[in-house]
Amino acid sequence: QSVLTQPPSVSGAPGQRISIACTGSSSNIGATYDVHWYQQFPGTAPKLLIFADTRRPSGVPGRFSASTSGTSASLAITGLQAEDEADYYCHCYDSSLNAYLFGTGTKVTVL
Amino acid sequence: EVQLVESGGGLVQPGRSLRLSCAASGFTFDDYGMHWVRQAPGKGLEWVASINWNGGHTGYADSVKGRFTISRDNAKNSLYLQMSGLRAEDTALFFCAKGYVDTAMARSTYFDKWGQGTLVSVSS
Repeated sequence: QSVLTQPPSVSGAPGQRISIACTGSSSNIGATYDVHWYQQFPGTAPKLLIFADTRRPSGVPGRFSASTSGTSASLAITGLQAEDEADYYCHCYDSSLNAYLFGTGTKVTVL
Repeated sequence: EVQLVESGGGLVQPGRSLRLSCAASGFTFDDYGMHWVRQAPGKGLEWVASINWNGGHTGYADSVKGRFTISRDNAKNSLYLQMSGLRAEDTALFFCAKGYVDTAMARSTYFDKWGQGTLVSVSS
C-alpha cells in the first residue's frame, strides 16, 4: 500500500500553471531519497518525466519542473498544453519498507 | 533504441502459476538492474520486484514476497518473473522496466525505459 499521497485530480486551462503534490514521510522523501516523476497516457506505458528530484531527461519539455521540500515533492507544469492531459506518478525509495513506492497518481485535465 | 517486450501473460486460475518474460534490446543488458512494476485495472502503479545486473541480489514487494521470483538470463538478454500462488488481486498489467544503474535496490534508482506490458488475469 502506497504511502506517497497525491491529489486524485488537478485541472487547469491552457497556458496556466498547475502543480501536483506528492506527500511522503521521514522514511522516503523526508530521508532525502531521490524523487522521480512519470507521465502515463491511457493504454500506454509510463514515461520518465523527472529524475533525481529536479532533472529532466533529454526530450522532456522545459515546462515540466519539480522540487522537493521536507517530506513532500511537487511537479509543476507551466504553460499547460492539451497534450499534457495524462496521469502523473511520483516515485521514491522507502527505507522502512525497503521498497520502491509510487504515489497514488494524479489525473491532469486541461479545461 | 531501447526496447523491452513483455510476454507470457494470460488468464489463469487462482492458485496456479505463470511465468512472464521480458526481451531486452538496444542496450547492454547486463550493465543494468531490471524491475517489474504492475498496474491493476484502473489503478496506480505498484513496484513488484527488482534484480541486480548479475542476478545476485533481488528485492520484492511484501505483497508478492514468497510467491514471486525474479530472475534474468544475461546470455539471452531476458528478464523473468515466476509467479505462483496467484490471487485475484494479482490481476494487473505487468511492466518490465530498466533501471538506470546496475544494482537492484539502489536508493536513487529510477526506471528510465518501460515495456508496453503483459496482462495477467487471475480468475476462476
